[in-house]
Amino acid sequence: QSALTQPASVSGSPGQSITISCTGTSSDVGGYNYVSWYQQHPGKAPKLMIYDVYNRPSGVSNRFSGSKSGNTASLTISGLQAEDEADYYCSSYTSSSALELFGGGTKLTVL
Amino acid sequence: QVQLQESGPGLVKPSETLSLTCAVSGYSISSGYYWGWIRQPPEKGLEWIGSIYHTGTTYYNPSLKSRVTLSVDTSKNQFSLKLSSVTAADTAVYYCARGVGSSGYSFDFWGQGTLVTVSS
Repeated sequence: QSALTQPASVSGSPGQSITISCTGTSSDVGGYNYVSWYQQHPGKAPKLMIYDVYNRPSGVSNRFSGSKSGNTASLTISGLQAEDEADYYCSSYTSSSALELFGGGTKLTVL
Repeated sequence: QVQLQESGPGLVKPSETLSLTCAVSGYSISSGYYWGWIRQPPEKGLEWIGSIYHTGTTYYNPSLKSRVTLSVDTSKNQFSLKLSSVTAADTAVYYCARGVGSSGYSFDFWGQGTLVTVSS
């Protein structure tokens, strides 16, 4: 089962907005509203930022938002801050036997 | 606040069985939710290993299914992972986490992770 496809890196300046894409298939991203996004700082455990495509867990800044179109999900971070610099992973439930797939991760650099 | 803590050997010999336990505090496993294991090889991405429901129903990544066993002990409020016949490719940071959301596979609370190295 192939991982979901994410860009290896994205960058932006403080205050700007960036979007990270996550491309799958109709068996995963496109077929279900079960996409999650995680933020991971070096040496730390991942932190859930978005679940079920659009929903933010309690305590997550509203600068983070999720969306989906077809087989591609997106995470948008507005008003970039230095603390947003981290690796970001998407994941999705899949109807294949793998059940849960992760993307390869995207390194966000705040310039 | 829900907290999870992994424990187990940090070094396992090739061909042996990796065993980890995740102790949960601040929430009773028997109350519900899925409980999962995710691993991350050094400098690489995340891989879902498997999840277990509080009733004991298990779900495994097919790439690991033949070697993985998950179990839950509600009396101790913990769940466990066993991975048999390990090789160097199983060297990774292993995380336990609580699964939420509509699918049960969005992980909202994570342990700090434990590095397991497979080496003789």
